Parts: sequence; structure tokens; C-alpha cells
Amino acid sequence: QLQLQESGPGLVKPSETLSLTCTVSGGSISSSNYHWGWIRQPPGKGLEWIGTIYYSGNTYYNPSLKSRVTIFVDTSKNQFSLKLSSVTAADTAVYYCARYSSGYLDYWGQGTLVTVSS
Amino acid sequence: QSALTQPASVSGSPGQSITISCTGTSSDVGGYNSVSWYQQHPGKAPKLMIYDVSKRPSGVSNRFSGSKSGNTASLTISGFQAEDEADYYCSSYTSSITYVFGTGTKVTVL
Repeated sequence: QLQLQESGPGLVKPSETLSLTCTVSGGSISSSNYHWGWIRQPPGKGLEWIGTIYYSGNTYYNPSLKSRVTIFVDTSKNQFSLKLSSVTAADTAVYYCARYSSGYLDYWGQGTLVTVSS
Repeated sequence: QSALTQPASVSGSPGQSITISCTGTSSDVGGYNSVSWYQQHPGKAPKLMIYDVSKRPSGVSNRFSGSKSGNTASLTISGFQAEDEADYYCSSYTSSITYVFGTGTKVTVL
């Protein structure tokens, strides 16, 4: 059974860079059948798509976050990661990593709350 | 990109059928069959309920069904049950090779 687990600091200071890692177990992150994504959800609000990385290494980001976001893969560790720079309080959210099977998200991590505060 | 439009809330009585709409544009919902629906209970990760407009993953009740007409997709819950009370989100692939979620719908029992 595929499992995804987010990890990283739960508290980030304003203007700093948020860094999260998603560890995939029970399957290979290198499979060409899937791609991998990050989604976030501010407290009490809806889901927001952050971006996706494909098997080819190509990345696609939400236009509203594109200037601040980087997603990359470490195949040797079966992990993929998110970096979001210059964070503000508006970036406080539960961050989810997930697997895309074709155009839908079939496996999700449990989510991790990241709070931006000094 | 703009979020897909969903009603903020929908209520239903047990046994009733309820439908949630998800309206986008020809650049997302109307242009692709990559529309999916997710159920989210409080404090939990979203769960895939429908993919490719109308397909149901293994293990999802056949009370859940999906459809699409033009730029609007719909999720129908037949025989509504108390356990179906949750937030529901649609999502679509877009012409920009990105994805977009709907605004979300809170489904409650009357």
C-alpha cells in the first residue's frame, strides 16, 4: 500500500523559506505512470493546488505562487520536496503531498500544519 | 487561474439525493475529462470519490456518481447518509498544464 508522509518545520518566520519533504513508501517515485504534487489548505479554507513534478522532471506551478515555489525530486531517497520563499502569514496552512495518477490525486499524505509567525 | 465555482453549502435529508455543481471554463472543466471529486472530513486528508468525470475508485460507494455538461461538472449523492456529511471539492486539469480546485461545498444533514 502506497504511503506518503510530509515532514518539515511546523513554524517558519516571515520572509524566510518554507521547506517540506514528502517521503514515499510502498512504491517508486520514479515510475513514469505517476506524477507528484503539493496542495495546501489555510485554516478553515479550501484546497489550493501549489504545483506538480512529472517523471521527466518537468514542473508546473500555480501562477499565483510561481515566483516563490520550487518542487524537486530526490529519487535516491524516494522523496520529493517543496520550497516556498518569502513567506508571509498568508502562507500558513496545512500542506499535503499527493500522487497524481493521470489527472487525479489517488494517494494523499496526512498533511502537516505550517505556521508563519515571528 | 481562478478557482472552480461550487455552492458554499448543500443540505439533504437521509435517503434523499443531493447534487453539487462545479463550474469552470472551456480551459478546464469544459475542455478535459480530467475532473475529479474529493471528500474531506474535519481534520482529515481529502479522499478521492470520483475521477475522469464519472469513474468511481474501488471501495467508493455506488451512491456517488459524477457527470459533466459543458463547463459544469456535478457530483450526485444518492440515498444520502449521515456519514456523507463532509466538505467536497472538485478539481480539473487545465490548458496551462496546471490543476485547479473548486471553492468547496459543505454538505450537511437536515
